[in-house]
Amino acid sequence: ILNVEQSPQSLHVQEGDSTNFTCSFPSSNFYALHWYRWETAKSPEALFVMTLNGDEKKKGRISATLNTKEGYSYLYIKGSQPEDSATYLCAFITGYSSASKIIFGSGTRLSIRP
Amino acid sequence: DTAVSQTPKYLVTQMGNDKSIKCEQNLGHDTMYWYKQDSKKFLKIMFSYNNKELIINETVPNRFSPKSPDKAHLNLHINSLELGDSAVYFCASSRSGDQPQHFGDGTRLSIL
Repeated sequence: ILNVEQSPQSLHVQEGDSTNFTCSFPSSNFYALHWYRWETAKSPEALFVMTLNGDEKKKGRISATLNTKEGYSYLYIKGSQPEDSATYLCAFITGYSSASKIIFGSGTRLSIRP
Repeated sequence: DTAVSQTPKYLVTQMGNDKSIKCEQNLGHDTMYWYKQDSKKFLKIMFSYNNKELIINETVPNRFSPKSPDKAHLNLHINSLELGDSAVYFCASSRSGDQPQHFGDGTRLSIL
């Protein structure tokens, strides 16, 4: 059974502080890892697509790293702002064929305290 | 213009009925997906189509049948609805399997 775990489940951070959280996934059959941001009452919105071991991606104050050999990805948010409050999902993709799998983690719910 | 649109947004129906949820994307993407958000808020993939061909078919009851008349549409038909089918269903699309997915707003299905 393929398992994708995100930790912590929830996080409360003071505005202006930096934070990070983890997505753990199987280290075999890796094809891609996606990060999504999901605000309440909206639909998930793509942040990053990561495919190569050692990848680092950045979008504004948010960045992500990828280690496919040990099966984890970190998402970092620098100088948290209230608008960063959302659930952050990762999705592990094993391949692109009829045997491929897409497995979402349960998300990290981030709340920023003003 | 909405990139990925699902209709209806809400669907309330009786157990045993047959219903369809439609999904359309105007992004020119080749791949479309259906997800079910379960009671624990997990997103679980149900189906994925690439250029009208099925590429992912997870273990879902065969009461659920996807239909892709063209690559811009992926509809979900559900026969003999059961109480356990109550959930939010999300449609998504992407340029290819490794590209980011664009999600619709979801369809909340409630079975009475």
